[in-house]
Amino acid sequence: EVQLLESGGGLVQPGGSLRLSCAASGFTFSSCAMTWVRQAPGKGLQWVSVISGSGGRTYYADSVKGRFTISRDNSKNTLYLQMNSLRADDTAVYYCAKHSQEYGDSMVDYWGQGTLVTVSS
Amino acid sequence: DIQMTQSPSSLSASVGDRVTITCRASQGISRWLAWYQQKPEKAPKSLIYAASSLQNGVPSRFSGSGSGTDFTLTISSLQPEDFATYYCQQYNTYPLTFGGGTKVQIK
Repeated sequence: EVQLLESGGGLVQPGGSLRLSCAASGFTFSSCAMTWVRQAPGKGLQWVSVISGSGGRTYYADSVKGRFTISRDNSKNTLYLQMNSLRADDTAVYYCAKHSQEYGDSMVDYWGQGTLVTVSS
Repeated sequence: DIQMTQSPSSLSASVGDRVTITCRASQGISRWLAWYQQKPEKAPKSLIYAASSLQNGVPSRFSGSGSGTDFTLTISSLQPEDFATYYCQQYNTYPLTFGGGTKVQIK
């Protein structure tokens, strides 16, 4: 059974940093691209970033480029999102999601339960 | 960026109704379109990929069609557990983009 468990969310001040983690199990982690998607309170889904199975390719939404860094440790089956220079409009539930293939131009087939990030003073 | 426009943004329907949701891409995306279902306070669930292929375990009352720029999600006979918000997403080009969502409510 595929399981994705996010952690690391919480309350952070504007300008601060936070690192999210997503522990994966139930599939061959290194064979699948992984994505972060966020959802601001009461709003729709917004794609944030994707990383290929090997970790060699990464892509970002313009709204987070230069501030967020996606990475993965295939030996630990864990995905990360390092978030720096956080702003109030980064407040959202952050979901990690698994792609069906090695690269991000493939379907997302499983989602984690999400972790809430609140940026506020 | 490719813009994904869903319509309607919300609809009211009864159990047993046939429901159709439309998603339009601002440029051609072949068949690289997915549909997701999200219930309140829950994570999204993957329903359809490649415009018309059902994810494992998704009931056959759900179907998808389209290619290029125009796509539809159809629920042939709405069930109580189908009341939710539905999102389309293109995965043809980065950045990956979602539609704004369609909330299906009980009439």
